[in-house]
Amino acid sequence: EVQLVQSGAEVKKPGESLKISCKGSGYSFSSYWIGWVRQMPGKGLEWMGIIYPGDSDTRNSPSFQGQVTISAAKSISTAYLQWSSLKASDTAMYYCARLGSGVASYIDSWGQGTLVTVSS
Amino acid sequence: QSVLTQPPSVSGAPGQRVTISCTGSSSNIGAGYDVHWYQHLPGTAPKVLIYGNSNRPTGVPDRFSGSKSGTSASLAISGLQAEDEADYYCQSYDSSLSGTQVFGTGTKVTVL
Repeated sequence: EVQLVQSGAEVKKPGESLKISCKGSGYSFSSYWIGWVRQMPGKGLEWMGIIYPGDSDTRNSPSFQGQVTISAAKSISTAYLQWSSLKASDTAMYYCARLGSGVASYIDSWGQGTLVTVSS
Repeated sequence: QSVLTQPPSVSGAPGQRVTISCTGSSSNIGAGYDVHWYQHLPGTAPKVLIYGNSNRPTGVPDRFSGSKSGTSASLAISGLQAEDEADYYCQSYDSSLSGTQVFGTGTKVTVL
């Protein structure tokens, strides 16, 4: 069974750094694109970017370029989403998601979500 | 800023049929990329309803159907049920956005 398990909820202060994770199991982690999706409170889903763990090919959505870093460690089947300096506006639920087959595919598996709260 | 536009809300009485549109452009839907649809209930991860424009995964009722034409796509829900009240999103690939995916703006379906 394909599973994506995300790290737990985080409460941070503005200016702090943060790295959340998404561990895949039940499939060949290196062979499927993994993406990150943001949902701010009361708002819709936003695609942040994707990474192909096999060769670390990474593509960020323009709105998130330079704001976050997406990475992966294929040896431990884990993808990451990282901030160097959080802002209050980063408060949101973050989901990792596996693309079924190819970069233009649909999401066939989701993580359970990681709630990030940034508040002074 | 999403490049796929959906109506903010649609509503219908139980048993009725509602449709949700998803309007894109020549760099996504109009370029031939597939459209996929998700249902999102509060507190849960989204669930795929339609993939590849019109295909239903195993377990999704045939009350849900999808279509695509030109630069737009649609999701239809027939025989509306109370449990269909949720947020719905379309998704496609966009060749102009650094080669990544994009979601629609989202539609809230209300069962009257």
